[in-house]
Amino acid sequence: AQSVSQHNHHVILSEAASLELGCNYSYGGTVNLFWYVQYPGQHLQLLLKYFSGDPLVKGIKGFEAEFIKSKFSFNLRKPSVQWSDTAEYFCAVNPLRAAGNKLTFGGGTRVLVKP
Amino acid sequence: DAGVTQSPTHLIKTRGQQVTLRCSPKSGHDTVSWYQQALGQGPQFIFQYYEEEERQRGNFPDRFSGHQFPNYSSELNVNALLLGDSALYLCASSPGTGGTEAFFGQGTRLTVV
Repeated sequence: AQSVSQHNHHVILSEAASLELGCNYSYGGTVNLFWYVQYPGQHLQLLLKYFSGDPLVKGIKGFEAEFIKSKFSFNLRKPSVQWSDTAEYFCAVNPLRAAGNKLTFGGGTRVLVKP
Repeated sequence: DAGVTQSPTHLIKTRGQQVTLRCSPKSGHDTVSWYQQALGQGPQFIFQYYEEEERQRGNFPDRFSGHQFPNYSSELNVNALLLGDSALYLCASSPGTGGTEAFFGQGTRLTVV
């Protein structure tokens, strides 16, 4: 069965620091990849997605992620975080061979940005 | 344009009872998926409905069932509630079933006591 691993459960940063969140998945076929964010008290929102093409994808709010197929990884980055980036971040995978768009999520990473 | 709406937002039930959660998809979306998010974990896929039929199912017991109506709205039913069913239940909608982006609702927080 496919699985998604997020390496850090909790990350604490100061404003202006750089952020990198790791995500690895186990699935041998072609996948669609997503990063979702859940701000306190809000619903899950899409940060960015990778379907095909340039493995470096840019999302909203200055976030980007790089798909490295050989490493089964899709790490999320932001060069300089703000206090408003405090949230929980989820990596998710959808295998293309499977019918439908079932998402398998990682366990999430809670990010706290100190002002 | 309303996004995905879920009701109720919070619910407290007793062990053994039954519960029904409701979801209205984003305008233009015809596929609805349900997820369970336990505290401190990522969402887990329960099932997906398209054209009023269950199309995919995750690793959840038959106590979890659903329905999709002609207007694409959906219900999640859970019978014989267990304490372990306490979680945030998320509804996600998407246009079609072809691996596109899913839009999520705020969720229903279910507490089983």
